[in-house]
Amino acid sequence: GNSVTQMEGPVTLSEEAFLTINCTYTATGYPSLFWYVQYPGEGLQLLLKATKADDKGSNKGFEATYRKETTSFHLEKGSVQVSDSAVYFCALRQSNFGNEKLTFGTGTRLTIIP
Amino acid sequence: GAVVSQHPSRVICKSGTSVKIECRSLDFQATTMFWYRQFPKQSLMLMATSNEGSKATYEQGVEKDKFLINHASLTLSTLTVTSAHPEDSSFYICSADSGGDQETQYFGPGTRLLVL
Repeated sequence: GNSVTQMEGPVTLSEEAFLTINCTYTATGYPSLFWYVQYPGEGLQLLLKATKADDKGSNKGFEATYRKETTSFHLEKGSVQVSDSAVYFCALRQSNFGNEKLTFGTGTRLTIIP
Repeated sequence: GAVVSQHPSRVICKSGTSVKIECRSLDFQATTMFWYRQFPKQSLMLMATSNEGSKATYEQGVEKDKFLINHASLTLSTLTVTSAHPEDSSFYICSADSGGDQETQYFGPGTRLLVL
């Protein structure tokens, strides 16, 4: 079956540091890949997505590239801010249709200190 | 982006009572809604997939009679936790999909349930 593995947290960085959160997946075919962010006390928000190999999703300074050869979708940001403190979830969906269920990784808690 | 609401945002109830949680898509019609459960510091666990006008599809290990799901309209799905017990205390999150060419599920803000 499908699965998503992401680096365990928590991750603590200083403001303006470079961020990488690793995510690898197991799936058949060409799944769609997502990063979701969950701020304290809130539900999940879509951060970025990629639907085919070599696509790069980007939003709010975050980027992730769909790497079919390494089955990875690592999240990166060049300079993090305190406001980026949240839990980040990598997820995949087997097809391009929104009515297919998402498979989530375990989440990585990120804390940015001033 | 599309907005999904949940009500209530937080509920405290006594053991043995039933609790209903509503999930609404506010500015689009959701052909499919999903219900997740999230334990502290853990990932989301899909409980069931709900399609408008039909029975929900439950994930393995989720009790259908315990967690009743009704998707009566294209903008509303409800999750009823029947005869709640302390182990049912959790964060319940719904998401909604508009179908068609849309690729994204939109998540509600979650409902925190505490069963005493």
